[in-house]
Amino acid sequence: QSVLTQPPSASGTPGQRVTISCSGSSSNIGSNTVNWYQQLPGTAPKLLIYSNNQRPSGVPDRFSGSKSGTSASLAISGLQSEDEADYYCAAWDDSLHGWVFGGGTKLTVL
Amino acid sequence: QVQLVQSGSELKKPGASVKVSCKASGYTFTSYAMNWVRQAPGQGLEWMGWINTNTGNPTYAQGFTGRFVFSLDTSVSTAYLQISSLKAEDTAVYYCARDEVATMGWWFDPWGQGTLVTVSS
Repeated sequence: QSVLTQPPSASGTPGQRVTISCSGSSSNIGSNTVNWYQQLPGTAPKLLIYSNNQRPSGVPDRFSGSKSGTSASLAISGLQSEDEADYYCAAWDDSLHGWVFGGGTKLTVL
Repeated sequence: QVQLVQSGSELKKPGASVKVSCKASGYTFTSYAMNWVRQAPGQGLEWMGWINTNTGNPTYAQGFTGRFVFSLDTSVSTAYLQISSLKAEDTAVYYCARDEVATMGWWFDPWGQGTLVTVSS
């Protein structure tokens, strides 16, 4: 049972826009920034979004993040086949004094 | 470029120990903390804790005290994760990930490629 809650799966067709939600509480998302990681099949996680909505250099602007209250979202527009991956949200938890992750969302491009 | 390279896969018997290495390059090793993250087969990511690469002081997450030890060799810019008294449930991929801190928050970047530890008799 992960501290942050994500839907286990999401899907879309090429060109579509999909969103992945991440729900937390006042001790994590409610009081700290949210990061998103992309894990392509068989590879290590990679930073996708940091500080709620910032993209590292090299990440396409098709990827965007947002946060409101104790929830965050990752949006992917212009979906491409290479976006098929697992996506994880993460935030620092002030009560647990540690990082917490969502359970991950497996994105399928139909 | 900034890079973390981990040691290769390990196959161990229950009760044995394993030491995973994470060699950093492309930056000043002692300027950034190092985290360890576990991913059991088919499961999500679980933060194990972090080590201050300046002082060597480790911090362990709940569930990772006792058998898990973080250490450093700053002379070769390498962080280590040692797991003792291995159990079947320790079978997982273990990642190191550098702490990146800024005024707007902090995050993990980059990550090592992962080390698969398999515990089986």
